[in-house]
Amino acid sequence: EVQLVESGGGLVQPGRSLRLSCEASGFMFDDYAMHWVRQTPGKGLAWVSSISWDSGSIDYADSVKGRFTISRDNAKNSLYLQMNSLRPEDTALYFCAKTTAYYSAMDVWGQGTTVIVSS
Amino acid sequence: EIVLTQSPGTLSLSPGERATLSCRASQSVASNYLAWYQQKPGQTPRLLIYAASTRATGITDRFSGSGSGTDFTLTISRLEPEDFAVYYCQQYTSSPHTFGQGTKVEIK
Repeated sequence: EVQLVESGGGLVQPGRSLRLSCEASGFMFDDYAMHWVRQTPGKGLAWVSSISWDSGSIDYADSVKGRFTISRDNAKNSLYLQMNSLRPEDTALYFCAKTTAYYSAMDVWGQGTTVIVSS
Repeated sequence: EIVLTQSPGTLSLSPGERATLSCRASQSVASNYLAWYQQKPGQTPRLLIYAASTRATGITDRFSGSGSGTDFTLTISRLEPEDFAVYYCQQYTSSPHTFGQGTKVEIK
């Protein structure tokens, strides 16, 4: 079964850091691009970041550029999102998702991990 | 950045009726790289349509996508109880891979 499981969310103070992880199983992880998408409570979806299969292509939303870093370890079938200088507006449910290619639709999503930035 | 505007914000329909959802892009979506997702309360988004009109694996033919350039449509031919949800469009032709704000299909 193809599966993505996020972890690492929690309650953190503004200005602090958090690292999210996404563990993949059931497919050849190093064949696929991966993405982070977030959803604010009661709101819509917002793309955060993308990384190609070989980490050669990486993009960020303007709202997180310079603060968040996406990375992957293909040997561990894992995707990461290092979030620094967190702000209250980063509070959201963070999903990881896979695509067939870098520019492709997100065909598998994880269940998400919640990040709350509050003092 | 390509901005996607979905309309209407909420669609109130009865089971068995046809639903027509619109997604308009601020600039042309090259190669029709547009997807539609369904999200039910407390659930993860599910891919319905990609490349504007191709149904994802396992998606019933009650769902169909159409359009090109800047105007795209998701049609649900006959609403079933399980179809009442929020629907999002997303373009993936260029970064940022923007989403529309969503259309909620609710029971009338």
